Amino acid sequence: QVQLVQSGAEVKKPGASVKVSCKASGYTFTRHAIHWVRQAPGQSLEWMGWINAGNGDTRFSQNFQGRVTLIRDTSASTAYMELSSLRSEDTAVYYCTKAGAAPPGNWFDSWGQGTLVTVSS
Amino acid sequence: QSALTQPRSVSGSPGQSVTISCTGTSSDVGGYNYVSWYQQHPGKAPKLMIFDVSRRPSGVPDRFSGSKSGNTASLTISGLQAEDEADYHCCSYAGSYTVVFGGGTKLTVL
Repeated sequence: QVQLVQSGAEVKKPGASVKVSCKASGYTFTRHAIHWVRQAPGQSLEWMGWINAGNGDTRFSQNFQGRVTLIRDTSASTAYMELSSLRSEDTAVYYCTKAGAAPPGNWFDSWGQGTLVTVSS
Repeated sequence: QSALTQPRSVSGSPGQSVTISCTGTSSDVGGYNYVSWYQQHPGKAPKLMIFDVSRRPSGVPDRFSGSKSGNTASLTISGLQAEDEADYHCCSYAGSYTVVFGGGTKLTVL
């Protein structure tokens, strides 16, 4: 079955960067996009961007343009999200999610378990 | 990109039906038939319940249905059950290969 397994919780200081990994299994990694979504404490979901796991194309929300980097390692079926210039408002659970349709896809049929990123001085 | 508008909370008794609305604009909900809905229990990852406005993934009970009229999409849950108590999030394609989520709705089963 499809699984997305994310890296563990992180604590970072303001101004630092964080890199979250998302290892996929149970499907052909390069045939679907991986999207990243975050959820601040008590808040709703916020879409960040996506990467076409096949050709590496990316697209980002205007809210994160310039601060987020998405890459993938096809040999390891793993996607990575790096967020820079962290501030306290970036404290959230970060999810990777597999698009259900052909890239970029606009619905998400499998989700990682989430990675809590805490930004605190 | 502004978040889609959902009611903060809705409630219903077991066996009843509830409908959750998701209002956007002609640039997102109204412009495409690409609305999806996600159920999220506390501390858990979201789960896909509806995609492409009204299609149900395998394994999702047919008590869950979706529809759209103009700039507003709706999720209806009929025959409400205790396990349906959760947060529900709508999502829409917003053009230029981007998507936008709603503010989320907390469903309480009385």
